[in-house]
Amino acid sequence: DAGVIQSPRHEVTEMGQEVTLRCKPISGHNSLFWYRQTMMRGLELLIYFNNNVPIDDSGMPEDRFSAKMPNASFSTLKIQPSEPRDSAVYFCASMTPQGRTEAFFGQGTRLTVV
Amino acid sequence: KNQVEQSPQSLIILEGKNCTLQCNYTVSPFSNLRWYKQDTGRGPVSLTIMTFSENTKSNGRYTATLDADTKQSSLHITASQLSDSASYICVVRDEGGGNKLTFGTGTQLKVEL
Repeated sequence: DAGVIQSPRHEVTEMGQEVTLRCKPISGHNSLFWYRQTMMRGLELLIYFNNNVPIDDSGMPEDRFSAKMPNASFSTLKIQPSEPRDSAVYFCASMTPQGRTEAFFGQGTRLTVV
Repeated sequence: KNQVEQSPQSLIILEGKNCTLQCNYTVSPFSNLRWYKQDTGRGPVSLTIMTFSENTKSNGRYTATLDADTKQSSLHITASQLSDSASYICVVRDEGGGNKLTFGTGTQLKVEL
């Protein structure tokens, strides 16, 4: 398996533009997480899905952020409109729900909003 | 509120030396605790997992300990190598929230010649 695949790896956009980040989880994993990482705050959970259903979106900073998981193999995180303070590395991770599960992370998308 | 705190925030050591990283958590009910290593520009990768009944676990030069009574964990690195330079993140999973993970902010380790 290729692991968790995120795209794009880097995104530079102007303030006010819409940004869409994409994630393909590991096949068979039915939990998917979106995290944001900054130097100041470390890794912050934005939202996570179990079986394509959003379970906890309390970490989504505001209405400008939205996430979808239309099927078990794909998820998107959208920011509209983007702001400079959204600049961060966004990670997607997946895992199975039972036991001593390990979250497997993608390589991340480095977002810069100018 | 579930929290995970790590110390020190950053650490610089000479190659070949040992070091110990600390993690305190308030996550309840506790399921397990993992130490992740995150190299620059990459996603975190699990080093070791500790469950309630496990006190010590080794993975090569990495040894993790867990004291479930005091809710503390440590990661000890022996004979450090330049490739150990990375961020080490303590992550705790709780039983009550499905798969919810609480992350520490990490310890940035730099190993120098």
